[in-house]
Amino acid sequence: QVQLVQSGPEVKKPGASVKVSCKPSGHTVTNYYINWVRHAPGQGLEWMGVINPSGDFATYGQKFQGRVTMTRDTSTGTVYMEIYSLRSQDTAVYYCARGEADSWGMDVWGQGTTVTVSS
Amino acid sequence: SDELTQPPSVSVSPGQTARITCSGDALPKEYVYWYQKKAGQAPVMVIYKDTKRPSGIPERLSGSKTGTTVTLTISGVQAEDEADYYCQSADSSGTSPLFGGGTKLTVL
Repeated sequence: QVQLVQSGPEVKKPGASVKVSCKPSGHTVTNYYINWVRHAPGQGLEWMGVINPSGDFATYGQKFQGRVTMTRDTSTGTVYMEIYSLRSQDTAVYYCARGEADSWGMDVWGQGTTVTVSS
Repeated sequence: SDELTQPPSVSVSPGQTARITCSGDALPKEYVYWYQKKAGQAPVMVIYKDTKRPSGIPERLSGSKTGTTVTLTISGVQAEDEADYYCQSADSSGTSPLFGGGTKLTVL
């Protein structure tokens, strides 16, 4: 069974950085794109960006350009998403989600990682 | 404009049919996906490429498209269908995905 397993909850202070991981099991990560989507309290789903199967290209939503970096370790199959200069508005649940080259659909989702930004 | 518009809420009684719409200028040329999101759980894809249903999704969930509007129809609504539903497509350039604002389905 295909699964994406994310790292545990994080609590950070404003201005800090956080790095969330997403490890696939049951399939080879190099075959798929990995998207990151967040869900802030009381808000809708928000796409942050996507990294390609080989990990040599990532594209980010305009809102996140310059503040988010997505990487992948092809030796372990783990994908990472790092956010810099955290602010309270970044408090959210962050999800990784599997995508494909020819469509923007996301068919398998991680369980989510709660990131809380508070002083 | 690059927006997907959904009604904030839809309410139906058990056994009735719920219809959730999603409108956007780019929809005629882009596929639409629907996700079910329950509190404390990850989203689940329930419809892909406008009308297709992933394995394991009940047949009473269906998708349709007419011009700039897509509709998620849930026939014979059950209590377990109560959730937030999000449509998703691509922006007008096709270079990034876009989510609708979400619709809260309440089963009365």
